[in-house]
Amino acid sequence: EAEVAQSPRYKITEKSQAVAFWCDPISGHATLYWYRQILGQGPELLVQFQDESVVDDSQLPKDRFSAERLKGVDSTLKIQPAELGDSAMYLCASSRLRDLISYEQYFGPGTRLTVT
Amino acid sequence: GESVGLHLPTLSVQEGDNSIINCAYSNSASDYFIWYKQESGKGPQFIIDIRSNMDKRQGQRVTVLLNKTVKHLSLQIAATQPGDSAVYFCAEFIRMDSSYKLIFGSGTRLLVRP
Repeated sequence: EAEVAQSPRYKITEKSQAVAFWCDPISGHATLYWYRQILGQGPELLVQFQDESVVDDSQLPKDRFSAERLKGVDSTLKIQPAELGDSAMYLCASSRLRDLISYEQYFGPGTRLTVT
Repeated sequence: GESVGLHLPTLSVQEGDNSIINCAYSNSASDYFIWYKQESGKGPQFIIDIRSNMDKRQGQRVTVLLNKTVKHLSLQIAATQPGDSAVYFCAEFIRMDSSYKLIFGSGTRLLVRP
């Protein structure tokens, strides 16, 4: 069964350093999402891509976060500089349909970020 | 070590009993709802969904009930098993300008006692 791949699974970094996360969605999935999940809470959407285009990045802190999906396949989420409050699980998800009504999202295992 | 779900409401049930997990949603315009299961260290996993024009949907051992009048969802798990232990989230799809956004509710931790 195809799965969303994410790496690394765990990352510890010092504040003010740069950190990057990688996601490879399920093959053929046009829509890709990055979520942040703080311990004890539900995931919150950071950015949504349709192919290589950003559809929604309204909740992305653009002063320090950036995301790209250059070829419309895999994606990278970057934080620079990292702050203590960025400690969280970063989840990637993908969905199959090419239109924007893509109800079923498949989540990867996440990257657990700890900022010290 | 990681202490997952310290601040989550917790439901503790005996193995074999039925479980009912509740969720309140906020947007009356939501037209689609999903229940997700999240095990420790893993991403959320789809369990069951329901459209707003329905009030009940059944899957294998799971049933979702939707009460639009009071904006309430519930997930019923029959004959709860140890493998059902996880955090459960309800999520609603909300139309946002030109796209739909998945909004997660606060989770409930289910503990199954052997």
